[in-house]
Amino acid sequence: AQKITQTQPGMFVQEKEAVTLDCTYDTSDPSYGLFWYKQPSSGEMIFLIYQGSYDQQNATEGRYSLNFQKARKSANLVISASQLGDSAMYFCAMRGYSGGSNYKLTFGKGTLLTVNP
Amino acid sequence: GAVVSQHPSRVICKSGTSVKIECRSLDFQATTMFWYRQFPKKSLMLMATSNEGSKATYEQGVEKDKFLINHASLTLSTLTVTSAHPEDSSFYICSAHRTGGPGELFFGEGSRLTVL
Repeated sequence: AQKITQTQPGMFVQEKEAVTLDCTYDTSDPSYGLFWYKQPSSGEMIFLIYQGSYDQQNATEGRYSLNFQKARKSANLVISASQLGDSAMYFCAMRGYSGGSNYKLTFGKGTLLTVNP
Repeated sequence: GAVVSQHPSRVICKSGTSVKIECRSLDFQATTMFWYRQFPKKSLMLMATSNEGSKATYEQGVEKDKFLINHASLTLSTLTVTSAHPEDSSFYICSAHRTGGPGELFFGEGSRLTVL
């Protein structure tokens, strides 16, 4: 079984500052993938960044970076230079690659990020 | 980028009627699509995995006869909420896996169902 834990129900950050959203996971799969999605108030799920369990380097996508610490089973999302448009719900998700996982994702409960001007 | 379109975005229906929600992958083929349900300010709950050309796989606790899923082509999956009741009111989101990608799912815009 897979489990994703996001311990921060809500976070506040000042515009232009960096913020870290926490995510820890638990899985018995030797190979897995970790994802972050953004969900604005409109409801759509926007893919942000992906980290494979065997990737040697931390993933980066523009202002998003994933602080992957495999031994600690954590995959925190770092957003640099926050913008007002970053205010949204953020979900951490995991996909196992063992037989039967069939690409389905397990989601954390989410963190509501508010960027203050 | 990969685009998934979901229709309708909002639907209001009377109790006892059935509602169909469509999920289309516009620029890629998706042999596997997923249907999620999301309550306000809650996480996404996987309802079922939709496989093209075969029966859907439902998660534990999800009523198969209540939520009918049909994946008739490589670009279309439909979710039909049968005999809808007010407790079925929710936000339903579909997603599709793009073959060859690292496994990220691309999501539709979601459909907000309100049953009166």
